Amino acid sequence: QVQLVESGGGVVQPGQSLRLSCAASGFTFSDFPIHWVRQAPGKGLEWVAVISHDGSNKYYADSVKGRFTISRDNSKNTLHLQMNSLTDEDTAMYYCANAVGWGQGTLVTFSS
Amino acid sequence: SYELTQPPSVSVSPGQTASITCSGDKLGSKYASWYQQKPGQSPVLVIYQDDRRPSGIPERFSGSKSANTATLTISGTQAMDEADYYCQAWDSRIWVFGGGTKLTVL
Repeated sequence: QVQLVESGGGVVQPGQSLRLSCAASGFTFSDFPIHWVRQAPGKGLEWVAVISHDGSNKYYADSVKGRFTISRDNSKNTLHLQMNSLTDEDTAMYYCANAVGWGQGTLVTFSS
Repeated sequence: SYELTQPPSVSVSPGQTASITCSGDKLGSKYASWYQQKPGQSPVLVIYQDDRRPSGIPERFSGSKSANTATLTISGTQAMDEADYYCQAWDSRIWVFGGGTKLTVL
């Protein structure tokens, strides 16, 4: 069955970087564009970024443009999100998602 | 930037019909999807391409669209349907979500 499994979340301090990963299985990964979506605690869903099926096109929300980079490795069925210059406004559960399913999410939080 | 507008909350009695709307400029020319999210869980797709239901989603969930407003209808609402519901549309290759509607089954 379709599985999307995120990893890489954790506790960070302002200005630090983090790299999230999403491992896909159960479908032909290279056939689909795939997104990162985040959800701050108690808030709604916010689209973050998308990458085309072959990695040639990438689009970002204004809130992360210039700080986040989405990438994929179709040979390994893996999606990544490199997050730089993090701020406490980036605190959220981060999901990878596409037309066939969503992952369970990985949590990014800030230490006070 | 493109926006989708949903009511923050909707209440329904068990067994009755719940309707959640989603409006947006030129939504009539885009496909709308609906997601259900229960506390502590990932969103689950319940309607795609305006009115299509994924396998495994109960028949009581249906979708429709008229002009620039999409509607999610839950017939014979059950207590298990209490959740947050989000509409979503594509806009120039990106996903846009509505603000979400909390459905309370009283």
